Amino acid sequence: DAGVIQSPRHEVTEMGQEVTLRCKPISGHNSLFWYRQTMMRGLELLIYFNNNVPIDDSGMPEDRFSAKMPNASFSTLKIQPSEPRDSAVYFCASSRRSMGLTEAFFGQGTRLTVV
Amino acid sequence: RKEVEQDPGPFNVPEGATVAFNCTYSNSASQSFFWYRQDCRKEPKLLMSVYSSGNEDGRFTAQLNRASQYISLLIRDSKLSDSATYLCVVTYLTMNSGYSTLTFGKGTMLLVSP
Repeated sequence: DAGVIQSPRHEVTEMGQEVTLRCKPISGHNSLFWYRQTMMRGLELLIYFNNNVPIDDSGMPEDRFSAKMPNASFSTLKIQPSEPRDSAVYFCASSRRSMGLTEAFFGQGTRLTVV
Repeated sequence: RKEVEQDPGPFNVPEGATVAFNCTYSNSASQSFFWYRQDCRKEPKLLMSVYSSGNEDGRFTAQLNRASQYISLLIRDSKLSDSATYLCVVTYLTMNSGYSTLTFGKGTMLLVSP
């Protein structure tokens, strides 16, 4: 398996622009997570899906952030409009949930810079 | 109080040293525990799960104390390649969803020098 695939790897955009981050989870995994990592705050959970359904989005910072999972093999995280404080590394992770949560596998991340 | 707390470090140790990382968690209902490793500018990867009875994997030993809500990771005979950030991870059921998710500490950086 290719692992969790994220795109783009790097994104530089101007303040006010829309940014869309993409994720393809590992086949057979039914849980998907979006995390944001900064030096100050570490890894923060933004939202997670189980069987394509958003379960908890309480970590989404504000209405400028939205996430979708239209099918089991694809998810997007959108920021509109983007702001400089959104600059961070965004990770997508997937896991198989059965009797509990098993190991989560991370993608290589998208390094976002908003100028 | 933060949900998962770790000493930020960095820990600077010579090759061959033994180093210990500690982690405390606030939710007594926490279910599962892991140590992840993150290399510079890379994604986090699972190092090992932590079991109630304690577990060992080569030079790495993990221990859990549920009463004290405390997790540890011991690295013996440290290698240059052990230099990385070590993340403590806890899962617990969230009240509003009924599902468990992974909560990460901010990590402890380890630098092993020749």
